[in-house]
Amino acid sequence: AQKVTQAQTEISVVEKEDVTLDCVYETRDTTYYLFWYKQPPSGELVFLIRRNSFDEQNEISGRYSWNFQKSTSSFNFTITASQVVDSAVYFCALSGYSGTYKYIFGTGTRLKVLA
Amino acid sequence: KAGVTQTPRYLIKTRGQQVTLSCSPISGHRSVSWYQQTPGQGLQFLFEYFSETQRNKGNFPGRFSGRQFSNSRSEMNVSTLELGDSALYLCASSLADRAGANVLTFGAGSRLTVL
Repeated sequence: AQKVTQAQTEISVVEKEDVTLDCVYETRDTTYYLFWYKQPPSGELVFLIRRNSFDEQNEISGRYSWNFQKSTSSFNFTITASQVVDSAVYFCALSGYSGTYKYIFGTGTRLKVLA
Repeated sequence: KAGVTQTPRYLIKTRGQQVTLSCSPISGHRSVSWYQQTPGQGLQFLFEYFSETQRNKGNFPGRFSGRQFSNSRSEMNVSTLELGDSALYLCASSLADRAGANVLTFGAGSRLTVL
């Protein structure tokens, strides 16, 4: 069975602080994909990043960075120098192949960045 | 290019009624997935359609059904509404046939309130 755990329900930080959102996953599939999506107050989920199980390289995109560690089954997301516009719910998702692909989302982490 | 369009955006129904929600995917996208989002359960997968065929189905009762038309537009129907069906229903489309491995583009959702 596949599972995604986002243990942090809600995080509040002050603007310009760094913040890390945790994501731990479980899967028996050898080929799988990990994703992060952002859901601003408008409700529409926005894609941030996709990683496949064979690519453990960390990635940096502007103020965003992702740390993928297969050894600990984690795919954590760090926002550097947070801004108020980063306030949103962030979802980690896993998709593994078991005949067909199916997304499993974590329960999300609500990030509040205070001015 | 136009994003994923969901209609209606908001609706209020009473218990026992039925509701139909519509989703128009991004032009060229052949896969459409539906999710139910509630505060307590997070994002729950309902079903996925590809080329008018249901390819995956989540663990929802038979009151939840869907279909996809030849132009890739999709509808989902919930019959005999219950209070617990109150949720944000999100539609997502993707380009290739391996929906689970691909990036999902979400619509803004249809917020259903059941009284």
